[in-house]
Amino acid sequence: GQNIDQPTEMTATEGAIVQINCTYQTSGFNGLFWYQQHAGEAPTFLSYNVLDGLEEKGRFSSFLSRSKGYSYLLLKELQMKDSASYLCAVSDSNYQLIWGAGTKLIIKP
Amino acid sequence: GAVVSQHPSWVICKSGTSVKIECRSLDFQATTMFWYRQFPKQSLMLMATSNEGSKATYEQGVEKDKFLINHASLTLSTLTVTSAHPEDSSFYICSATDGREGPGEQYFGPGTRLTVT
Repeated sequence: GQNIDQPTEMTATEGAIVQINCTYQTSGFNGLFWYQQHAGEAPTFLSYNVLDGLEEKGRFSSFLSRSKGYSYLLLKELQMKDSASYLCAVSDSNYQLIWGAGTKLIIKP
Repeated sequence: GAVVSQHPSWVICKSGTSVKIECRSLDFQATTMFWYRQFPKQSLMLMATSNEGSKATYEQGVEKDKFLINHASLTLSTLTVTSAHPEDSSFYICSATDGREGPGEQYFGPGTRLTVT
């Protein structure tokens, strides 16, 4: 079966760095997405990885290891507005997105 | 670019009535649209996938006669919740892809919050 695992909830301090992990087992792989979702709102796109390595975009970076079925989202210089759920999704062999349950990130002052 | 709108953004209806939610791609042609449901503090649950001009494909456990999906054009898909009940109260979100070959990035609408009383 297809499965994506990520922690349910994480807590971090304003100004710090946090890493949200995602492991996956899917039928085929055509890339991995990270989305951010604030409470009561729709998800917004953060990053896309299809090759191994680190993709940096401002305060956010995303890493992928296809051989390990593993990705992480790294958030630096945390701000209170970063409090949200972060969703990991994998595009499978049919280009369908398989979604993780999301990680709720709580930022404390 | 790649903007998706939904209407209405919120709706309250009485039990037993039907509600229609529209999803539009504003600046691209959406060959495939997806309908999700999200209950409080839970992740997205895919309900169905619709391709323009063909019948929607429903996920297991989703009643196709209760959640009617129509994807009549490349820019519009509608979800009708028929005979709504309080347990149908949820956040309904649509997304769309532009059909280019690629990873299947989905562009999300802002969501519709349905409350059935």
